[in-house]
Amino acid sequence: NAGVMQNPRHLVRRRGQEARLRCSPMKGHSHVYWYRQLPEEGLKFMVYLQKENIIDESGMPKERFSAEFPKEGPSILRIQQVVRGDSAAYFCASSPTRWGDNGYTFGSGTRLTVV
Amino acid sequence: KQEVTQIPAALSVPEGENLVLNCSFTDSAIYNLQWFRQDPGKGLTSLLLIQSSQREQTSGRLNASLDKSSGRSTLYIAASQPGDSATYLCAVGGGGATNKLIFGTGTLLAVQP
Repeated sequence: NAGVMQNPRHLVRRRGQEARLRCSPMKGHSHVYWYRQLPEEGLKFMVYLQKENIIDESGMPKERFSAEFPKEGPSILRIQQVVRGDSAAYFCASSPTRWGDNGYTFGSGTRLTVV
Repeated sequence: KQEVTQIPAALSVPEGENLVLNCSFTDSAIYNLQWFRQDPGKGLTSLLLIQSSQREQTSGRLNASLDKSSGRSTLYIAASQPGDSATYLCAVGGGGATNKLIFGTGTLLAVQP
């Protein structure tokens, strides 16, 4: 079991470009969470998805950010028209159950740098 | 609104010492609590998970306790080693519809050889 796979590990984008971050959950996990870690800040919840459904996006900025978890393929976090303030580490976590009864497994993250 | 605080923010100890990291949370209505370690530039590694009905969990040299009524959890590391140097994060699951995790600010641990 390869664990939670995130790619790319590092991503550099110019202001105004789009960033696409991918997360493949562990095998058998259908619950995916995205968290963001801004420089010198703690991890903050962004969005929770199940296959083909967004369950809770209360932590996601209202504009420019979107997430999906299609029936086939990885979960995608998409940031349109990136700005310098989007520079952060984005982590994905997965769980086999809705409430993480066996805990959450995190990926290694994608470090986004906006120049 | 749940808030999670970790004390101390940073800690430096000589190798072999036993140490305690503290985590406090403001709302005792939690579903579970998970301790992670994060190495510089890396992801999160799960250390211990405590369900709200449990008092403690142990794994090797690590022991985590939970006191819901006082809103506290501690992570005890026995016989610390330089390889234990990392940032330790406490995360509280609030239950409800999503059980999203609320993270503390972390304790940066340095174990000196």
